[in-house]
Amino acid sequence: QKEVEQDPGPLSVPEGAIVSLNCTYSNSAFQYFMWYRQYSRKGPELLMYTYSSGNKEDGRFTAQVDKSSKYISLFIRDSQPSDSATYLCAMRGSTLGRLYFGRGTQLTVWP
Amino acid sequence: NAGVTQTPKFQVLKTGQSMTLQCAQDMNHEYMSWYRQDPGMGLRLIHYSVGAGITDQGEVPNGYNVSRSTTEDFPLRLLSAAPSQTSVYFCASRSGTGSDEQFFGPGTRLTVL
Repeated sequence: QKEVEQDPGPLSVPEGAIVSLNCTYSNSAFQYFMWYRQYSRKGPELLMYTYSSGNKEDGRFTAQVDKSSKYISLFIRDSQPSDSATYLCAMRGSTLGRLYFGRGTQLTVWP
Repeated sequence: NAGVTQTPKFQVLKTGQSMTLQCAQDMNHEYMSWYRQDPGMGLRLIHYSVGAGITDQGEVPNGYNVSRSTTEDFPLRLLSAAPSQTSVYFCASRSGTGSDEQFFGPGTRLTVL
């Protein structure tokens, strides 16, 4: 079993839709949870960061962590064509620990 | 700041050739990593370093060597290229303290014929 599981999609939604992206994990030691966004032919860039359980909101983006279920989510409200990208979840257990990535979900938002 | 830079952007090798992928960062980050990204496989960690003089293997280290003689540079060496090493390679760095962000370079697209 991989440390982090993420459905690769692809996911295609109309502009304005609410998008839900999810990852599950097996290691209960993970404490730091991240979502990266990667545009085509570019390096990933950090989108959201959460420590431990709870929610974090930044504009149209909300990250949720449920450590009891080992499940993290990223919600995108009022999705835009510019949100079309691959979204990767990532997590680690300690400050200097290595990052474990999901496979990434490819999202297309069509006008 | 230039952030994380990688050279070359593109490279084509023949089987058996060797080459070095360069990575540099100007943020004084201690932690640097090399990943490869293949379709459907996500990012897989090749090697990483927690500081100058310290390196360790990641998930897929075979066929690759690294060294970290300075804080700024973290080159990745392919000793004898194989078609299975055709991939996009990303270098990344972070400070290694607290809620720090990992910064990625633009990537090197490598094809081994």
